[in-house]
Amino acid sequence: DAKTTQPNSMESNEEEPVHLPCNHSTISGTDYIHWYRQLPSQGPEYVIHGLTSNVNNRMASLAIAEDRKSSTLILHRATLRDAAVYYCILNTGKLIFGQGTTLQVKP
Amino acid sequence: KAGVTQTPRYLIKTRGQQVTLSCSPISGHRSVSWYQQTPGQGLQFLFEYFSETQRNKGNFPGRFSGRQFSNSRSEMNVSTLELGDSALYLCASSEGLAGSSFGPGTRLTVL
Repeated sequence: DAKTTQPNSMESNEEEPVHLPCNHSTISGTDYIHWYRQLPSQGPEYVIHGLTSNVNNRMASLAIAEDRKSSTLILHRATLRDAAVYYCILNTGKLIFGQGTTLQVKP
Repeated sequence: KAGVTQTPRYLIKTRGQQVTLSCSPISGHRSVSWYQQTPGQGLQFLFEYFSETQRNKGNFPGRFSGRQFSNSRSEMNVSTLELGDSALYLCASSEGLAGSSFGPGTRLTVL
């Protein structure tokens, strides 16, 4: 199964941008890069996904490296409600979750 | 649209029993996936169904099984329950290349 590597934890200050990195060096040409987040005591929540081009939606932006071996999820202005575990996943027909990055947001 | 619903939300069983969990996907979503979440192992993929056929399968023993009905609703069954099966079981639905929507989960406790 295709794997991703993320830092275990990151901290951010409220109202500042956050860049969450992900490495996926074994990605194949048809694998979509998906990001989910899981708030405490809730199921995972879809954030964004992309294939080759950078993507934007109301929640975040996804920057994908030209060789597709890495990507970065960008939260433009972190809020306390963004504190969660963020998962970077290669969608190969099934979602294989790693340990994710626990994001702490400080007021 | 209503979100993904799962029933029951909480369940307590004893070792050796079997259990059936139910998932109703978002209307129009044909793909339903199941995941097990435990503190030690994190989120693990169980299986995915699409149009009543199992399309992908994770690395779980045969005690874990599932099925999907013609209306896309899905059930998963765990037979001969073990203490280690205590977990949050999550169902997710999707359509096409869009992201998956997850339900709130069923918390299973095996005593």
